[in-house]
Amino acid sequence: EDQVTQSPEALRLQEGESSSLNCSYTVSGLRGLFWYRQDPGKGPEFLFTLYSAGEEKEKERLKATLTKKESFLHITAPKPEDSATYLCAVYGGATNKLIFGTGTLLAVQP
Amino acid sequence: DTAVSQTPKYLVTQMGNDKSIKCEQNLGHDTMYWYKQDSKKFLKIMFSYNNKELIINETVPNRFSPKSPDKAHLNLHINSLELGDSAVYFCASSPGNSDQPQHFGDGTRLSIL
Repeated sequence: EDQVTQSPEALRLQEGESSSLNCSYTVSGLRGLFWYRQDPGKGPEFLFTLYSAGEEKEKERLKATLTKKESFLHITAPKPEDSATYLCAVYGGATNKLIFGTGTLLAVQP
Repeated sequence: DTAVSQTPKYLVTQMGNDKSIKCEQNLGHDTMYWYKQDSKKFLKIMFSYNNKELIINETVPNRFSPKSPDKAHLNLHINSLELGDSAVYFCASSPGNSDQPQHFGDGTRLSIL
């Protein structure tokens, strides 16, 4: 069965303290891995799509990487405005749908 | 201009009532979706329509019925609301299949009394 697991569930960082969020997945024939950011009371906001192992994407302080079993979202020198829930989702296998993980709640303290 | 808009944003109603949530997208996308997000923030697909045709219909009670009058609109009607229906419902759209990024609305928080 296709599955997505994110860790940690919650992460508290000091401003400027770099870290990484993990997304482990089990899907036969990955066709896309997506990272989203969700703020309280808002819908998920698209960040990155990764399609094949070895691929990397960057946007400001965020960098997403992909292997055959997992993806990392690296946050470099985070700021308080980076505080949000980060969701990972995969598309692939026999189903024609996006499967989400339960997210990592990131809090960046000034 | 809001890309994917849902109405209402909040919906508080009694058990047993029937209610509808409306969704519109102005991105010119062919595919629209309904998701349910539970109290633990887990997002699960309910339905997907491609150009007004139902393509994904997850194991959802028959009380939930989506309707797509055109490819820019996807509404969700819920009959005989139950306590367990309390959640945030998100509408989303994408250019084509699920291998392309989906764009989400801001959700409708449904609370059943």
